[in-house]
Amino acid sequence: AQTVTQSQPEMSVQEAETVTLSCTYDTSENNYYLFWYKQPPSRQMILVIRQEAYKQQNATENRFSVNFQKAAKSFSLKISDSQLGDTAMYFCAFMKLSKEVQFYFGTGTSLTVIP
Amino acid sequence: KAGVTQTPRYLIKTRGQQVTLSCSPISGHRSVSWYQQTPGQGLQFLFEYFSETQRNKGNFPGRFSGRQFSNSRSEMNVSTLELGDSALYLCASRENPRNTEAFFGQGTRLTVV
Repeated sequence: AQTVTQSQPEMSVQEAETVTLSCTYDTSENNYYLFWYKQPPSRQMILVIRQEAYKQQNATENRFSVNFQKAAKSFSLKISDSQLGDTAMYFCAFMKLSKEVQFYFGTGTSLTVIP
Repeated sequence: KAGVTQTPRYLIKTRGQQVTLSCSPISGHRSVSWYQQTPGQGLQFLFEYFSETQRNKGNFPGRFSGRQFSNSRSEMNVSTLELGDSALYLCASRENPRNTEAFFGQGTRLTVV
């Protein structure tokens, strides 16, 4: 079975500072994707960043980057130059690419950016 | 291109009743997945439909069911509602089940009283 663990239920960061959200996962699969989704108060899940497990290079999307440690099964999200609009729930998710392709989500981290 | 549309946005039901939620995927997308989101539990996978067939099902009781129509719109039904069914129900739209890019709707907030 696949599990995703986010050990930080809540975090806060000062505007313009950097924050790192943690995620670990457990799987016996070799071929999979990892994701970070953002859920603002509007409730719509928005893809922040995606990492393919077979790629060693860490994914980057503007102010968002990941630290993917495959052996340690760790997938943390770094948000640089935090903005007020980054306030949201952040979910780490795992997707295996076997016959049944489905997401496994963590329990989320509520991030508040303080002006 | 219109996004994923879920209706209704909010719903209040009484214990024992049944409820039907609707999800219209992005045009051209034929895979629809449903998730239950509760505080502290994250998102739990309910089921996935593709081409009107259920492909995968999560660990939920038989009170939770779904279907998909020929236009790819999907409905999920919960019968004999329990207080614990109160949650945000999200659907995700993909072109096909092998595609890793998913787009989510804004969800239906179900409250059971």
